[in-house]
Amino acid sequence: EPEVTQTPSHQVTQMGQEVILRCVPISNHLYFYWYRQILGQKVEFLVSFYNNEISEKSEIFDDQFSVERPDGSNFTLKIRSTKLEDSAMYFCASRTNVWYFGPGTRLTVT
Amino acid sequence: DQQVKQNSPSLSVQEGRISILNCDYTNSMFDYFLWYKKYPAEGPTFLISISSIKDKNEDGRFTVFLNKSAKHLSLHIVPSQPGDSAVYFCAVGTSYGKLTFGQGTILTVHP
Repeated sequence: EPEVTQTPSHQVTQMGQEVILRCVPISNHLYFYWYRQILGQKVEFLVSFYNNEISEKSEIFDDQFSVERPDGSNFTLKIRSTKLEDSAMYFCASRTNVWYFGPGTRLTVT
Repeated sequence: DQQVKQNSPSLSVQEGRISILNCDYTNSMFDYFLWYKKYPAEGPTFLISISSIKDKNEDGRFTVFLNKSAKHLSLHIVPSQPGDSAVYFCAVGTSYGKLTFGQGTILTVHP
């Protein structure tokens, strides 16, 4: 069974620091996504990525956020200057006909 | 964003009985519908999907029904098992676009 992997599983950072969340999508997938879930809330779309560029992004995905596919396997989400409200579970997903989600990275901003 | 709504925050069912989870959406452009199961601190796990050209899709104990005119989909689990206890999310989208998730329904199956 193919799977999306994410590292780290838990990241604790201080407000104002930069964090990079890493994802390895399923190898033959072409569409990549980041979602997040703040505790007790819905899973929210952040950004979609196709053909080495952002294809869609939400209001949440402001200038503090960026995504990159630095090589053929990794897909990263960078938050330049974290805020308390960025604390959430961040899920990477990749897809063909079906979306596969990774196990998530729990980001805690203190 | 109320494009996708799961109006029941929780559902409690006896083992062996049917669980029915419901989801309503507002955008008629959505043509792809999925159900995910999620445990705490884990990523959503795909269960079953249906495209807009069908009104029913079945996979083992799981069946998804789509009523396009009512913009409503439901997930039936028969028979329910204690291991099915989790949060269930419906997610809707277009074939090559983003997914929009409902708020989730906590299903508890009692032995």
